[in-house]
Amino acid sequence: EPEVTQTPSHQVTQMGQEVILRCVPISNHLYFYWYRQILGQKVEFLVSFYNNEISEKSEIFDDQFSVERPDGSNFTLKIRSTKLEDSAMYFCASSDGYYQPQHFGDGTRLSIL
Amino acid sequence: DAKTTQPPSMDCAEGRAANLPCNHSTISGNEYVYWYRQIHSQGPQYIIHGLKNNETNEMASLIITEDRKSSTLILPHATLRDTAVYYCIVRVDAGNTPLVFGKGTRLSVIA
Repeated sequence: EPEVTQTPSHQVTQMGQEVILRCVPISNHLYFYWYRQILGQKVEFLVSFYNNEISEKSEIFDDQFSVERPDGSNFTLKIRSTKLEDSAMYFCASSDGYYQPQHFGDGTRLSIL
Repeated sequence: DAKTTQPPSMDCAEGRAANLPCNHSTISGNEYVYWYRQIHSQGPQYIIHGLKNNETNEMASLIITEDRKSSTLILPHATLRDTAVYYCIVRVDAGNTPLVFGKGTRLSVIA
């Protein structure tokens, strides 16, 4: 069964450094998302992306965050200058459109030191 | 905020049916009910969704009341691998509408 894949599974970064999290959505999907989950807390929406532009973003997704689909297969989340509070699991999801569910990857654990 | 209410935890004996309730009394006519689960810290896994009719797939059944104010997810023969946090989410089915997760129900399947 096709699946969303995320790399790396664990990323450790010094505070203030830039980090890029990578996702390969399911191949025929058109809608892409990033969510995060701080340890012990709820899964929170960050951003949705369709037709090469951001469709919707949450308050968490400030100027330090950006997303890109650099080619036909990858979908990336960049955090420009990481903070301690960015430590979380980051999940990528994709769906193939209206009335279809979102399918999630297994996440990248981001640890900021 | 999540528009659903779920019990924080439930236990179920292995091999028995697990019935997970969800209240969504303010659901709108164009909102679907989705169920996801999260095993450990893995990514949320889609289970099933429905609008007003009952739905069944290879994983579970979804029973939605006639007034659509509540629903029940049924795992017909729970196994230890079904131990997870189960999330009931209502969502307008537009292509890029985000999912709003609550705290869910922690289901423990006991041998």
